[in-house]
Formats: sequence, C-alpha cells, structure tokens
Amino acid sequence: NAGVMQNPRHLVRRRGQEARLRCSPMKGHSHVYWYRQLPEEGLKFMVYLQKENIIDESGMPKERFSAEFPKEGPSILRIQQVVRGDSAAYFCASSRGLSSTEAFFGQGTRLTVV
Amino acid sequence: QQQVKQSPQSLIVQKGGISIINCAYENTAFDYFPWYQQFPGKGPALLIAIRPDVSEKKEGRFTISFNKSAKQFSLHIMDSQPGDSATYFCAATGDKTSGSRLTFGEGTQLTVNP
Repeated sequence: NAGVMQNPRHLVRRRGQEARLRCSPMKGHSHVYWYRQLPEEGLKFMVYLQKENIIDESGMPKERFSAEFPKEGPSILRIQQVVRGDSAAYFCASSRGLSSTEAFFGQGTRLTVV
Repeated sequence: QQQVKQSPQSLIVQKGGISIINCAYENTAFDYFPWYQQFPGKGPALLIAIRPDVSEKKEGRFTISFNKSAKQFSLHIMDSQPGDSATYFCAATGDKTSGSRLTFGEGTQLTVNP
C-alpha cells in the first residue's frame, strides 16, 4: 500500500444524516490535507492537519464540518446534518513535512446527498 | 493574493500537436509550482513541478516554463496523445506555515483528437 487511501469511494447520505470520510496517508507522511471539488470546478482547500493537531482550518465551513487526525488511525472528515450542497468529491492529500514538498492525492470520496 | 489564475478553461488539440496551458499567480511567497493531471472519477496525480530558481523543467513530453518576474508559469505537452485527454490543474504553495497546502487554478480540460 504505497498510496493515499480514502474510503469509502462513494457515499450516499440523506439530508440531515452524518457523513464520515476517512483518509490514510502515504507511509512516512505525517501531514494531511483535505480538499473539496464541486462538479466541474477546481479543488478548494479545506483543512490541514498533523497528528493530533489542526494546523490550518481556514477553508473549512464554520458549521457542521470537522476534521481530526488522531495519533492512531486515519484522518477523519466529518460532516454533520448534510445538505444537498455538500454533494461533491472530497480529496485527501498527504505530504512528508513542513517545507514545500510533494503532496500526493487519494482517489477521493464522492458524496451524494439525496 | 492567494489566487492562481489558469487558462484556457478548455483546449482541443490534434494528436501530435503541442498543448499549452498557462497560469499566473500573485503571492510572491509561493515557491513550489506543481501541475496535476486528473482523469474522470480519479484523484489528481502529480505530473511535474518546478521551483522558481529555474526557468524551465522538462520530463519526457512535459515541460514547465517559469517566468518569475511576470509571476507566470505554463505547461507544455509535446506530441500530445489521446491518452493525455484529462483535466490539468496548476497549483502553488510556499507559505512555510501552511506546509504543502496547495492553491489550485481552475483547471483546463484537454481533449486530444486522434
């Protein structure tokens, strides 16, 4: 397993339910970034985490969205009380460290809110 | 100041031709400029990247040209092939406090006709 692993690949939720998206970074990477891609649009930064720390959450909506990267286990992006506008592809990327280094992306989770 | 502007939005090229995608940035703190290739339903894949201390970087059929004074950089795909048909994103990063957080351009949908 050399790549960034995201699951599930597809997630369908009814309005008002919770969505949990998981991301396991590449081996040796301790920095995780979440991005959102709306249909036919580019990728927008949401949040940057290191193990047990949120470094930058400036792109995260203030309500209903949260993220964590615990000491053990994958990073989790949690969306509470989902609405139709949350339907998008959510991508996780990981990198090795603080300096400007390569970031590698997972295959994404496509969230559909019905 | 964090924006990266990308053009064109879409591009159609004949097989064997040269595909050129342009990007411009504003933030002079950016010091790493990657290009990502994304196929439908997949995550972005790192294609090639450049730092501002060089004006050009070539990897196979892909070349980045960088103009620091103009704050512009471009991707050239030589001998374009139908398999190159994808969406291409330029990106930039470099604020040391934000790790490898990427600011993306809007994307260019490239179609290479056989």
